[in-house]
Amino acid sequence: GAVVSQHPSRVICKSGTSVKIECRSLDFQATTMFWYRQFPKQSLMLMATSNEGSKATYEQGVEKDKFLINHASLTLSTLTVTSAHPEDSSFYICSAPSDGLAGITDTQYFGPGTRLTVL
Amino acid sequence: QKEVEQDPGPLSVPEGAIVSLNCTYSNSAFQYFMWYRQYSRKGPELLMYTYSSGNKEDGRFTAQVDKSSKYISLFIRDSQPSDSATYLCAMSALTGGGNKLTFGTGTQLKVEL
Repeated sequence: GAVVSQHPSRVICKSGTSVKIECRSLDFQATTMFWYRQFPKQSLMLMATSNEGSKATYEQGVEKDKFLINHASLTLSTLTVTSAHPEDSSFYICSAPSDGLAGITDTQYFGPGTRLTVL
Repeated sequence: QKEVEQDPGPLSVPEGAIVSLNCTYSNSAFQYFMWYRQYSRKGPELLMYTYSSGNKEDGRFTAQVDKSSKYISLFIRDSQPSDSATYLCAMSALTGGGNKLTFGTGTQLKVEL
């Protein structure tokens, strides 16, 4: 199946600092990527849709100035949590659709996630 | 009312049991249905993908869709301790991975020796 990677897998930072998380599609190109947040024992909540070459689309209630998304290439999207606070501590997961590449189910494939802890 | 309802569990079964996991949904526009497995502190892994009513089988896993009742199920036969994970149902109104998925809350499954 398709492979999506994330870096870093875990980050601990002080309150007020910014953290950048990378999401890469390793064996396919993705013009669209999705960013999710997951709190303990809860489901995935879509934060935003990252579009290569254009602005990201944010879900209602998600602050676009706080969660900066840059889709720099067809295989890389980054999420920057600016001025992080303890309430931003969560598990951040990206996904990329395969867009029907041969032999790959046309749906979303998820990265391994990044656990952010803000002290 | 949530668009997708899923019993969060936890569900505990003995090894070798048949497991039934279910989701109901309210949006009749949903046409594509997926089951993901998520181990603790990992990203979700696609297990099954289906778009028509009826059953789809893959090894020990069977996905069942009943669009008339807005009800989907995942059956796991001969369950193993390695199946212990959270199972998330997801659905979409449009085909293609570039469309938004709506997830259930996930059911935590524990298969005991």
